[in-house]
Formats: sequence, structure tokens, C-alpha cells
Amino acid sequence: DTGVSQNPRHKITKRGQNVTFRCDPISEHNRLYWYRQTLGQGPEFLTYFQNEAQLEKSRLLSDRFSAERPKGSFSTLEIQRTEQGDSAMYLCASSSTGGASHGVNYGYTFGSGTRLTVV
Amino acid sequence: SQQGEEDPQALSIQEGENATMNCSYKTSINNLQWYRQNSGRGLVHLILIRSNEREKHSGRLRVTLDTSKKSSSLLITASRAADTASYFCATDAEGTYKYIFGTGTRLKVLA
Repeated sequence: DTGVSQNPRHKITKRGQNVTFRCDPISEHNRLYWYRQTLGQGPEFLTYFQNEAQLEKSRLLSDRFSAERPKGSFSTLEIQRTEQGDSAMYLCASSSTGGASHGVNYGYTFGSGTRLTVV
Repeated sequence: SQQGEEDPQALSIQEGENATMNCSYKTSINNLQWYRQNSGRGLVHLILIRSNEREKHSGRLRVTLDTSKKSSSLLITASRAADTASYFCATDAEGTYKYIFGTGTRLKVLA
């Protein structure tokens, strides 16, 4: 499978629990992005990595959220002490810089997302 | 915050008709992209247009970009029921490496 893979597809958790999502990007893509999408809205940017470096975090990403990309391959997004407002679709996308270290943006390939429901 | 806004928010047309969606954005950009999203699924990349391009075609899709007006349009010709989806534009502001998405246009194509 050469696409972006996200696991799990669905997660139901009780308020206050911690959850972790995983994203496996396209192997030759060095950029990886996390977005959050609620019903009827466009995806909202959360954070992105170039290789293993986390280069930008949105103000939406409270200190309960943490993302990692060890070794520059897969990434995890952890939400601690979940709240009902965290219920959303969490989308991962990857892209290539086309060999350039900066200055070039290409289209994203998105995964199918992880739908989180906090009850 | 959303960089772009799509217009209209919702559009309903008959199969075979053309569908036009518009996107307006706020800052200077490097690129603008259009994505499609079927209900409850991930987004599918449709087309990318660079800031120095004015028009691009891909199959039944035609995208225009007017950087002076900070706007873009997506035209789907000879629409099909399978085109029913939400369509989003996304822009990367100059000097950044992330795309910011608009609020989307929900297209319904009636058979």
C-alpha cells in the first residue's frame, strides 16, 4: 500500500482518558502534517514535521496535545485528558519537497483519518 | 483560522450541468489547491495551481487563479452523480510550508 495510512479508523473514549493515533506517510515524503476537522468545517492545521523536526505548531494545539515523528517516518498524535470538544476527525497528510530543503510546496496525500468520539 | 472561503456554501445541480465554485483568500500565496472530500472520508487532491499560473485543466476540471483579486474558481464540466462531495480550496501563504483550508462547498449532483 503506497498511500497514507492512519490507525485506528475510529476511537471512542471516555472523557479524561488519553488517546494516541498513528500515521504512516508515503515513504518518500519528508513532510508530515496533522489536521483536525469537525462536521461541516474545513480541516484546521495542527502541526507539521519535516523529517523528524516539528517545525510548526498551531495555537489550537493545547499542551494536552503532543505529536512526534521519531526517525522521520511514522508519526503519533497523543491527546491527554480528553475533553468532549476534542471529538473530531484527525487527518494526517504527507508531501514531498521534491528534493529541495525549503521553498517548494507540493500537494498533500491525505489518509482516511481517525474519527475520535469523546463520551 | 480559515484562510480561504468558498462560495457558494452549498450547490445543487442536475447531472450533466456544469458546477462552478469560487474561493477567496487573504494573503499572498505560493500555490492554491483544490481537494474533494466524500462524506466521512479523507481528502483527495484534485489540482494544484502555482501563483504564476492563471489556468489549469485536468480532465473535466478547470481551475483559474486571479492573484490580483486573491480568488480562484473550480469548474466541473458535465457533472456526474459521483461528483457529489465537499470541495475545499487550500492555500500556502508565502514563506510557509503548510496549507490552510477554506470552509468548503457542498456539491450535490442529482441524477
